[in-house]
Amino acid sequence: RKEVEQDPGPFNVPEGATVAFNCTYSNSASQSFFWYRQDCRKEPKLLMSVYSSGNEDGRFTAQLNRASQYISLLIRDSKLSDSATYLCVVNWGYKLSFGAGTTVTVRA
Amino acid sequence: DVKVTQSSRYLVKRTGEKVFLECVQDMDHENMFWYRQDPGLGLRLIYFSYDVKMKEKGDIPEGYSVSREKKERFSLILESASTNQTSMYLCASSYDRGFSQPQHFGDGTRLSIL
Repeated sequence: RKEVEQDPGPFNVPEGATVAFNCTYSNSASQSFFWYRQDCRKEPKLLMSVYSSGNEDGRFTAQLNRASQYISLLIRDSKLSDSATYLCVVNWGYKLSFGAGTTVTVRA
Repeated sequence: DVKVTQSSRYLVKRTGEKVFLECVQDMDHENMFWYRQDPGLGLRLIYFSYDVKMKEKGDIPEGYSVSREKKERFSLILESASTNQTSMYLCASSYDRGFSQPQHFGDGTRLSIL
């Protein structure tokens, strides 16, 4: 079983729509959780950390469910510029494990 | 802003060559990492370092070595390049000794081994 699993998508949504997707992780001792964004042929960039109580950053909301071992990302009022691959990242000890990414395409 | 700089964006080498990939960070971060990224496989950790001259194997260290002689610089070495090492290589750094802080990535090096 992979340490971090994501639905690869693609999620194809119109501008203004809401899109949400999850990521599951296998290690219950995981300590820190992040969402990264990666544009085509570019490096991953930190989108937001995910806190136990859930957190928002503008149009982006992240949730953590430790009991079921998943994290989620919700994007409201999608923009064309939100088109990217979103990587779920989970940490325990030194180890960061990356999901393979969920591709989101926002169309005009 | 954290700046992680990789020496080359694109590199083409031949099978059997010794290849050096360099990475420099300017934020006095303790930890530095080398990953490779391949389609459908996500990022996989090759090696990391939590201090000068310290190194630890990641998930796929075979065929690679690393060097960290100065805190800001972390080098990845392909001892004898092979075609299955054609990939995107990403360097990252982070601040926290406890590894709980996010990592910041360089632009990546697209390496092709012919």
